[in-house]
Amino acid sequence: GQQVMQIPQYQHVQEGEDFTTYCNSSTTLSNIQWYKQRPGGHPVFLIQLVKSGEVKKQKRLTFQFGEAKKNSSLHITATQTTDVGTYFCAGPPNFGNEKLTFGTGTRLTIIP
Amino acid sequence: NAGVTQTPKFRILKIGQSMTLQCAQDMNHNYMYWYRQDPGMGLKLIYYSVGAGITDKGEVPNGYNVSRSTTEDFPLRLELAAPSQTSVYFCASSYSNNQQYFGPGTRLTVT
Repeated sequence: GQQVMQIPQYQHVQEGEDFTTYCNSSTTLSNIQWYKQRPGGHPVFLIQLVKSGEVKKQKRLTFQFGEAKKNSSLHITATQTTDVGTYFCAGPPNFGNEKLTFGTGTRLTIIP
Repeated sequence: NAGVTQTPKFRILKIGQSMTLQCAQDMNHNYMYWYRQDPGMGLKLIYYSVGAGITDKGEVPNGYNVSRSTTEDFPLRLELAAPSQTSVYFCASSYSNNQQYFGPGTRLTVT
């Protein structure tokens, strides 16, 4: 079955440093979605990318979808304490598939 | 809109007991999902539904059952609870395979 891996599993950064998490799928994805889960909270949708090579920005967050639509990345510039949480990527393996396969997640902690 | 609501928030069950986790959404979404999340781990899909009367198994369906009699509600039934079912359960809904909206979760402990 489809597998979606994320690296790193954990990342500790000083406040103000940059952070990147990488997402790799074993199969081609029709779209890639990113979610953030604060400690003790529920996953919250951040963004969806659909096109090959697509790049989207949300303030300090930059999301990229690979040319082959099998990988993606999330980059945060100048991290803040509010960025703490676990970041998950997720995607359906092909168009019209009802299920999302979630990645293994990257847990970000910030050292003030 | 309340979004996705789940009850109860917390529950402690004894081994062998049964319970139903409730999930409701008021966004008229056709797709609904149940996930479990063990401590420090990712989300595993238990069951999902693409519309009223239609359900299908996810990655970890054993020990659970679901029904979808209305668009709004998607209850998850645990029969004969086991310690391995100790987890946080999230319900989610979406329109097609796009953005999923998650409920606040139910923290279940089986002892």
